[in-house]
Amino acid sequence: DQQVKQNSPSLSVQEGRISILNCDYTNSMFDYFLWYKKYPAEGPTFLISISSIKDKNEDGRFTVFLNKSAKHLSLHIVPSQPGDSAVYFCAASPPRSNYQLIWGAGTKLIIKP
Amino acid sequence: DTGVSQNPRHKITKRGQNVTFRCDPISEHNRLYWYRQTLGQGPEFLTYFQNEAQLEKSRLLSDRFSAERPKGSFSTLEIQRTEQGDSAMYLCASTLGNTEAFFGQGTRLTVV
Repeated sequence: DQQVKQNSPSLSVQEGRISILNCDYTNSMFDYFLWYKKYPAEGPTFLISISSIKDKNEDGRFTVFLNKSAKHLSLHIVPSQPGDSAVYFCAASPPRSNYQLIWGAGTKLIIKP
Repeated sequence: DTGVSQNPRHKITKRGQNVTFRCDPISEHNRLYWYRQTLGQGPEFLTYFQNEAQLEKSRLLSDRFSAERPKGSFSTLEIQRTEQGDSAMYLCASTLGNTEAFFGQGTRLTVV
């Protein structure tokens, strides 16, 4: 039973355009969500997070939107750059879980020059 | 401190052998996590330490798996009598309290 789902295994976007990565979750008790980026042969790197009390968090080119009623979050990258090509993981933290993250399967983002 | 360090980066072992991986977290981080990642999947939680105490273990962690963090600094993950299904990337992460986790580069285990 996948509690965090990333339904797009891959996404291809032209350089300079907006990349939108989507994530759905099933457990309404999740109270903290994170996005990680992973390059080949490296561990995941934290990108941006959002608490369930917010609906938007922005950091430079990266914005995460949270729609609690739809149990959906999205990561927007604008403008997309070649260095953004990586696998992006959505992760959720149940309350009082001591950071035992539950991860989606990842979306491979390819930025085309 | 350059971040979370994991050794070895790659390990190939024969089925039935024991293997041990090491993780050195960021020095001031009191929490340490082990995750396992297989191809096409996100990381799966294995176990968690706060200082030297192992506070949580996933049901994924069979009796063949054991983890230690003897002095609350580095941690080791041992797999006994390895099976082909143990082939995966083993990731270690550390945090200071409830902050974002910093991951190591992982140890890729191949059981042949």
